[in-house]
Amino acid sequence: AQSVAQPEDQVNVAEGNPLTVKCTYSVSGNPYLFWYVQYPNRGLQFLLKYITGDNLVKGSYGFEAEFNKSQTSFHLKKPSALVSDSALYFCAVTRPGGGADGLTFGKGTHLIIQP
Amino acid sequence: DTEVTQTPKHLVMGMTNKKSLKCEQHMGHRAMYWYKQKAKKPPELMFVYSYEKLSINESVPSRFSPECPNSSLLNLHLHALQPEDSALYLCASSQDQASSYNEQFFGPGTRLTVL
Repeated sequence: AQSVAQPEDQVNVAEGNPLTVKCTYSVSGNPYLFWYVQYPNRGLQFLLKYITGDNLVKGSYGFEAEFNKSQTSFHLKKPSALVSDSALYFCAVTRPGGGADGLTFGKGTHLIIQP
Repeated sequence: DTEVTQTPKHLVMGMTNKKSLKCEQHMGHRAMYWYKQKAKKPPELMFVYSYEKLSINESVPSRFSPECPNSSLLNLHLHALQPEDSALYLCASSQDQASSYNEQFFGPGTRLTVL
């Protein structure tokens, strides 16, 4: 079985400050990890993914995430938050050969950037 | 074209109605997905089509009936729904199901209300 935990329901950050949205995972074998963002009444948009290689992954809109195997974490980060980053963020996991299982999503974290 | 389109955007139906949701992609993807998403919750996988064949049915009630007429189109036929089926229905596609490292591209969703 595979699972994702996003421990924070909501994260509040002042505009211009760095932000971190936390994610930990559990999967058999090596993970494939994804971050998606969802704006109100919209579908999910892909931000970035970790497959293999460099532990620091860069994605869209200035976001990056760091894969930490020992801590089974894949936290999403951005050096300087924008008000427009306010949205619902989902971490998701699958594994090599995991097409039959599909993606497993975390419960989501509301990110609120205050002007 | 990296877009997944869904129609209609909104749908209100009675419990005795029959309606259909439509999804289309022109990215040459061979895996297509239906998800159900309740407010402030992660998407829940319903069905997966791989190369136009149903490969995953996550124990979805028979009042939901998927159809994949060709590699670009995915339908979800609805009949005798219940009010608890009211949700955002998301369609997604990816290059193929077996290559689980490929990200999924999501449509904007259909907001379904069952009266």
